[in-house]
Parts: sequence; structure tokens; C-alpha cells
Amino acid sequence: KNQVEQSPQSLIILEGKNCTLQCNYTVSPFSNLRWYKQDTGRGPVSLTIMTFSENTKSNGRYTATLDADTKQSSLHITASQLSDSASYICVVSGYSTLTFGKGTMLLVSP
Amino acid sequence: EAGVAQSPRYKIIEKRQSVAFWCNPISGHATLYWYQQILGQGPKLLIQFQNNGVVDDSQLPKDRFSAERLKGVDSTLKIQPAKLEDSAVYLCASVGYSGNTIYFGEGSWLTVV
Repeated sequence: KNQVEQSPQSLIILEGKNCTLQCNYTVSPFSNLRWYKQDTGRGPVSLTIMTFSENTKSNGRYTATLDADTKQSSLHITASQLSDSASYICVVSGYSTLTFGKGTMLLVSP
Repeated sequence: EAGVAQSPRYKIIEKRQSVAFWCNPISGHATLYWYQQILGQGPKLLIQFQNNGVVDDSQLPKDRFSAERLKGVDSTLKIQPAKLEDSAVYLCASVGYSGNTIYFGEGSWLTVV
């Protein structure tokens, strides 16, 4: 069964600090992995997308890594800002499927 | 480029009533999804359209949920009769021919009381 597990479930960090969110998946076959940011009350917005051959991709202060061998991905946020407070969702694509993680709720505190 | 449009944004109904949500995807996007997102969880696929045909509706509770995309553009999702557990955000998303990025609408928030 295709599954995407994210950790931690929730996280509180101080403004300016870095943090790393984890995503483990068992989706097969694998096509790509996406990270989305979802602000409260809004739809998800794409941050990064990585295929099998890519092991890192950056989008501003967001850097995603992918290890296709261990089926793990991480999203690293550098120098966090209050506006980074949101839910971060990992989505893995198979041949014709999309499997969503439950998300990590991040709160950046002043 | 206009995004995925959804309406209404918010709806409160009593159980056993009906409700309909509308989605207008990004122009030219052939693939359209409806997702249900319960508070604190990731989105769950309800139905996937390719143009006006259904690709996957295996997780759509067909006894109460229905969806259509008659002309391969706009789509409507209907719930009749609603149950308390249908309280959720209903997200519409569309994908272009490149298939790389999924664009989500802002969602329609449903509360069933």
C-alpha cells in the first residue's frame, strides 16, 4: 500500500532558527516528490518538485533533499520567518497516483 | 495567469441538506481533481477527471457524493444528503500537460451542523 509518513507532526521554533521536516514514503513505482506549503485557510502552494535523479532542490530559504534509495526526503527551512508558519505537506507521485502525507504543522514564534 | 477558482469559500448547512461546490481550473488544464481535507490531515482524493472523463473515483462515497465535468472545463461536486463527518475543506486542483505542478484552489470550507 502506498504511504507517505511525515514527521514531526508539529513543530515550534523561534524566528530566525533553522528547521528540518522529514518525509518517508513507500510509493511504488516512484515518479516524483513534491513539497507544498499550506497556510491556514488557503490551498496548498507548491514549493519544490524532485524526480528520481534529483537529490536536492532549493526555492529561496527552502531546500528539499531526496534519497530515492532509502525513500526519504527532507525539507530544510533556513532563517525562519513568522510567515513560514503553515502546514507543510509531502506528496509522492506514482505512475498515475498521488499520495499525500498528513503534513507537519510549523509554528514560528517571535 | 489566473489560478484555480472555487466557490463558495464557506458554507454551513444542517445535516441531511445538500450542497454544491464549483471549480474553474486553470485554462487549458485537462486534469482536474477534487480532494477532501479534514482538519489536521492531508488531502484525500475524491475524484480525478481527464477532460470530461472520470479517471479515478474509487474513494468517492457515491451514495451521497457526485461530481461532473460536462464540458471538460468547470466542475461541480455535490453532497446529498450531508453528514456531520463531511465537515472539511474541499480542494479543487488542476494539472497542465507537463504534469509537473498541481495548482490548488483556495478550497471550499464546509461545516455540517
